Amino acid sequence: GAGVSQSPRYKVAKRGQDVALRCDPISGHVSLFWYQQALGQGPEFLTYFQNEAQLDKSGLPSDRFFAERPEGSVSTLKIQRTQQEDSAVYLCASSPSGNPSPLHFGNGTRLTVT
Amino acid sequence: DQQVKQNSPSLSVQEGRISILNCDYTNSMFDYFLWYKKYPAEGPTFLISISSIKDKNEDGRFTVFLNKSAKHLSLHIVPSQPGDSAVYFCAANGGYSTLTFGKGTMLLVSP
Repeated sequence: GAGVSQSPRYKVAKRGQDVALRCDPISGHVSLFWYQQALGQGPEFLTYFQNEAQLDKSGLPSDRFFAERPEGSVSTLKIQRTQQEDSAVYLCASSPSGNPSPLHFGNGTRLTVT
Repeated sequence: DQQVKQNSPSLSVQEGRISILNCDYTNSMFDYFLWYKKYPAEGPTFLISISSIKDKNEDGRFTVFLNKSAKHLSLHIVPSQPGDSAVYFCAANGGYSTLTFGKGTMLLVSP
C-alpha cells in the first residue's frame, strides 16, 4: 500500500500483559516516529528512528516501553507489563528525511488495558 | 508544559463562512509549523505548513498565517464546507525538538 500501515488496529490487553504494535512505514522513508495519543489530547512524541538507528527515545514514559527498527523499515513498539494508564492510540508516522518535512501518519493502534 | 497551545477546544461555523483556528507557541526555537486534520478512527493527515521565513502560505481554501513576534499562527478555511468537520491539530518543530502538537480544535461546519 501507499500509506503507513499499523497493526493491529485494536488491541485489548489485561493489565500485566505484554503487547507488540507493528508499523510498516511508506517504502523508502528514512525517518520513523512513534506517538501516543490519549483521549482528548494531541499526539505526544515517544521515539524517533533514522533508518535503524534510534536517535531519540526521550518521550518513552517508562522502561516498560521499548521500540526497535532492526532493518530500517518495519518498526515494533513493545509495552511490557501493561498498565491502565497505557490505554491510548499509538500512532506511527514516517517521512522521507529528517526535519523539516511533514510526517505521514498511520491510522494508529487503539490499546485498551483492562 | 504545553509548548503548542490551541485554546479553543471546539468551533462551530456555518457552511460557506470562514473558519479561523488559532494556535500559540512558546518555544522560540520553533521554525516550522504545520496543520493536521484528523477524522475519527483515522490518523492525522497533513494539511498545510509554513516556515518561519514566511508570514503566509496559501493552498486553495486553506491559508496559514504566522506572526512570529506574537508566537501565534492561524489557519483560515474559506469557504468552509461540511466535509471540513474534523479535529485540527497545530504542530511545530525546530532546533532539537521533534514535532510537537497542540491538543486540537474540533471544527463543526453545519449546512
